[in-house]
Amino acid sequence: QVQLQESGPGLVKPSETLSLTCAVSGYSISSGYYWGWIRQPPGKGLEWIGSIYHSGSTYYNPSLKSRVTISVDTSKNQFSLKLSSVTAADTAVYYCARLHPGGGFDYWGQGTLVTVSS
Amino acid sequence: QSALTQPRSVSGSPGQSVTISCTGTSSDVGGYNYVSWYQQHPGKAPKLMIYDVSKRPSGVPDRFSGSKSGNTASLTISGLQAEDEADYYCCSYAGSSDVVFGGGTKLTVL
Repeated sequence: QVQLQESGPGLVKPSETLSLTCAVSGYSISSGYYWGWIRQPPGKGLEWIGSIYHSGSTYYNPSLKSRVTISVDTSKNQFSLKLSSVTAADTAVYYCARLHPGGGFDYWGQGTLVTVSS
Repeated sequence: QSALTQPRSVSGSPGQSVTISCTGTSSDVGGYNYVSWYQQHPGKAPKLMIYDVSKRPSGVPDRFSGSKSGNTASLTISGLQAEDEADYYCCSYAGSSDVVFGGGTKLTVL
């Protein structure tokens, strides 16, 4: 069974960089698939942040592209998200997920709430 | 890249059928057969219900079905049950490996 688990600070100060890691178990990232980050502000809808292929190719939401970096560490079977220059608008539950070839995210982490506040 | 358009809410009585629409453009929904649907209960992670417009992952009841016509995709839930009450989101491939979600629809089972 594929499982994903997000980890990282729950509180980030404005203008700083948000950093999260997604540990994958039950499947080797290097075997394939795209892996993605999605966020959900409190009481609002889902927003795709970006995706990464096991080879390291990355694809970002154009609205966040200038601030986002997604990387993969196949030796640790995990991938990471960095979002720079955060503001209160970046407060959200952040999910990591596996992207099915058909475009659907078939396995999700439980999500982690990141609050941007001084 | 704009969010796909979904109705904010829909409702139905147990046993009835409801359909949730998801309208995009020829650059996303209309351009590819890569539409997926997610069910999200409060405080939980989204769950994939439909992918590739109309395919169901293993374990998803056949009461859930998906379709697409032009730039609009639809999720139909037949034989509504109380546990179907949740938020539903559509999602589409938008070219160049981009992905776009809909704004979400709250389903109320009366």
